[in-house]
This record gives sequence, structure tokens and C-alpha cells, in this order.
Amino acid sequence: DTGVSQDPRHKITKRGQNVTFRCDPISEHNRLYWYRQTLGQGPEFLTYFQNEAQLEKSRLLSDRFSAERPKGSFSTLEIQRTEQGDSAMYLCASSHYEGEKLFFGSGTQLSVL
Amino acid sequence: GDSVTQMEGPVTLSEEAFLTINCTYTATGYPSLFWYVQYPGEGLQLLLKATKADDKGSNKGFEATYRKETTSFHLEKGSVQVSDSAVYFCALIETGNQFYFGTGTSLTVIP
Repeated sequence: DTGVSQDPRHKITKRGQNVTFRCDPISEHNRLYWYRQTLGQGPEFLTYFQNEAQLEKSRLLSDRFSAERPKGSFSTLEIQRTEQGDSAMYLCASSHYEGEKLFFGSGTQLSVL
Repeated sequence: GDSVTQMEGPVTLSEEAFLTINCTYTATGYPSLFWYVQYPGEGLQLLLKATKADDKGSNKGFEATYRKETTSFHLEKGSVQVSDSAVYFCALIETGNQFYFGTGTSLTVIP
């Protein structure tokens, strides 16, 4: 069990650029979640997958955001045409099955200049 | 919809003081309740959980009891240590739904 890993740890980009983050969950975990966290706030739900199926997407998420989990293993989160308001920590978490505790990665800190 | 409300921080305590961090929730059904902790520079990790009413979760000297009548899951510790300094998040999940987190409570313990 190597834990949930996220890459990169930090990303600095200019407004208008596209960015992609990767998450590798714990290998036997079926559920994978993406959250966003800003300073002084709790994690805000973005989307989650059951294996390769994307089951729910937050209504707060604009169409500039897209996530995939093509083979039910790793996942990518892409943000197109980044805006300064997208600056945040993007967290990935996984769990073995529904309702079970989440294991979090260390996150990707995005800064949009 | 589901939500979690935590007491606002930051909280500053002296070592060996008693800690309470309040958490109340709103849910349509019977959620499982969790406390997560985030130490400086680290990711969130599970501290304790309770899956049904009157259950008590405990870990590392921390305790929280699932109170359905008051929709609460307050975190307590009898004697805090400097190493307990962290941000604490209350969270819930209902079947068929996703995790909801509170805004977090920052705790600083001074020697």
C-alpha cells in the first residue's frame, strides 16, 4: 500500500492556459474522488468515480473542468482556460467501497497568475 | 441537502488542557460521521469515525459520540499535546452520496 499519490505537487500557470493533474489511488480502491480546498475552507467536492464511471459532478464545476478515469485506475483532472479563481489545492482521495473512509493524497497546489 | 457545520477557530490551548470542537450536521437519512485531521504540510487523514447513532469513535485519545437527537458529533480530548496542533475537519457521508466536509477548525497547542 503506497497510498494515494498526486502529481505534480505544485503547478504555476498563466491565466488562460490549460493544466492537467494526475492521481494514482490505492490499487484496490474502486472509488476515486476529486476535491478542491482553498485557504481556511474544508474540501469542496468536485467529482467522483466508481471504477471508470463518473457518477457525480458538482454543480459548482464549470464546463472548463473535466475528469477521466479511463481504465478505472489512475485519474486526470483537466482545467481549461484557467482563471485566477481556480487557484487552490486540488485533492484526490480514494476508498475501497461506498461509505468507507477516504484516503487522501497530498494534493496539487495550483497558482494561476 | 447534506451539510456539516463546525465551530470556527482558531483555537489556542495550553498543553494538557481539555479540548472540545463542536460539529453539527444536516442529513436526510442516516449518515456515517468522521473526523479528519490535517497536520502542517501533510494531507488529510482519518482520525476517527462512527457509523450509527450512539456509536463512539476514538483514536489517539480523541473521542466523538454520534448523537442523532442533537445531530452532533463533537470532538473531545482530555489532555492535548503540542503534537495535536493541526486543522480538524468534521465530515459525513450518506449511502449513494459523497463526502461533505466542514470548514475546519485550526488548533494550536502551546507548551
